[in-house]
Amino acid sequence: NAGVTQTPKFRILKIGQSMTLQCTQDMNHNYMYWYRQDPGMGLKLIYYSVGAGITDKGEVPNGYNVSRSTTEDFPLRLELAAPSQTSVYFCASSPLGGEYEKLFFGSGTQLSVL
Amino acid sequence: AQSVTQPDIHITVSEGASLELRCNYSYGATPYLFWYVQSPGQGLQLLLKYFSGDTLVQGIKGFEAEFKRSQSSFNLRKPSVHWSDAAEYFCVFGATNKLIFGTGTLLAVQP
Repeated sequence: NAGVTQTPKFRILKIGQSMTLQCTQDMNHNYMYWYRQDPGMGLKLIYYSVGAGITDKGEVPNGYNVSRSTTEDFPLRLELAAPSQTSVYFCASSPLGGEYEKLFFGSGTQLSVL
Repeated sequence: AQSVTQPDIHITVSEGASLELRCNYSYGATPYLFWYVQSPGQGLQLLLKYFSGDTLVQGIKGFEAEFKRSQSSFNLRKPSVHWSDAAEYFCVFGATNKLIFGTGTLLAVQP
């Protein structure tokens, strides 16, 4: 099915470990986003990309890195995991930046850092 | 600065009762506004959106929202709540290249 696919769905990390959250979309969308959702809070933008090779910081980028080598993929990298990064992570995509009604979200990755 | 406020963290209503979830925004021009719903363990689903024009917008699942510029509000309503409506609801502001989320309102539905 077309849409945004995130892997893994769940992950437990130890403090200081690193990992990459994968995000792939097959809709040929230009814009992709990474959000985190902390308990009882709305989503906060971590990074976004307006196309292959172009990324920019969102509201809460510290502790994360991203790359966008292809239109389809937008991985999120945690280099030194910290307990403060325990959260649910959502990837999203849209054709263009203002086309929010065409925004698709992935099903999320629940990450715990212990 | 652009912001979205949902003053109610948690609301409980009885099944069949009417519902209104509050949302206030801060922005100088006409905003892009949305309501999303998140069911437990699920991703986000768009309920409805407002860009311009008619201030009363209809969405999916019987929801509607009214944009009131004078009150900087975009409240979500439903005339009769069903048990399946229990979820978290987010009011969202569409800014350049990003969405700004409110903190959410958790809706519980009593039988």
